[in-house]
Amino acid sequence: RKEVEQDPGPFNVPEGATVAFNCTYSNSASQSFFWYRQDCRKEPKLLMSVYSSGNEDGRFTAQLNRASQYISLLIRDSKLSDSATYLCVVNKQGYGGSQGNLIFGKGTKLSVKP
Amino acid sequence: DTAVSQTPKYLVTQMGNDKSIKCEQNLGHDTMYWYKQDSKKFLKIMFSYNNKELIINETVPNRFSPKSPDKAHLNLHINSLELGDSAVYFCASSPRTGDQGRLVFGPGTRLTVL
Repeated sequence: RKEVEQDPGPFNVPEGATVAFNCTYSNSASQSFFWYRQDCRKEPKLLMSVYSSGNEDGRFTAQLNRASQYISLLIRDSKLSDSATYLCVVNKQGYGGSQGNLIFGKGTKLSVKP
Repeated sequence: DTAVSQTPKYLVTQMGNDKSIKCEQNLGHDTMYWYKQDSKKFLKIMFSYNNKELIINETVPNRFSPKSPDKAHLNLHINSLELGDSAVYFCASSPRTGDQGRLVFGPGTRLTVL
């Protein structure tokens, strides 16, 4: 099983649609989870952290399911500007007492059409 | 005003050459990183420095040598470039080592080895 696995897509949705992405991770000791967004030929940018209790930021909702080892991202009322690749990021729990490295998924491509 | 800057943005060079990429952050962050994103879009950590000290060195050929003259700068020197080194190299920083999830990436350096 890959360390972090995502459906590469593309997800092609109309404006206003609700879309959800899942991401599975293999290391049950992972403690920190994030969603990053990467526009074409640009750098990744932190979208949101994912907390155990789930969290919401405007139209974006992130959830964590530790038992099944997956995290999800829900985008409501999609905008054209949401078109990007969404990267699932999980920390690779610790050697040397540190939080360890971040493992990036390959990303899910979202294309929002008018 | 740029938080994390890299130079050059594009680098085209012949196999066997030696090249350097420079990175600077003005965020006052303690930790800096080099990531490589290959043609398959996987983003993988190469090195991490905390206050000028190397703390993460992933399995990277020793042709790659990072150097941190101070905590605001992390440069990457690559000797004897190979075709497989073609990729986008991202510099990033975070407030501290234990806060890797909150990475701020530079715009990337697109390296093409001919």
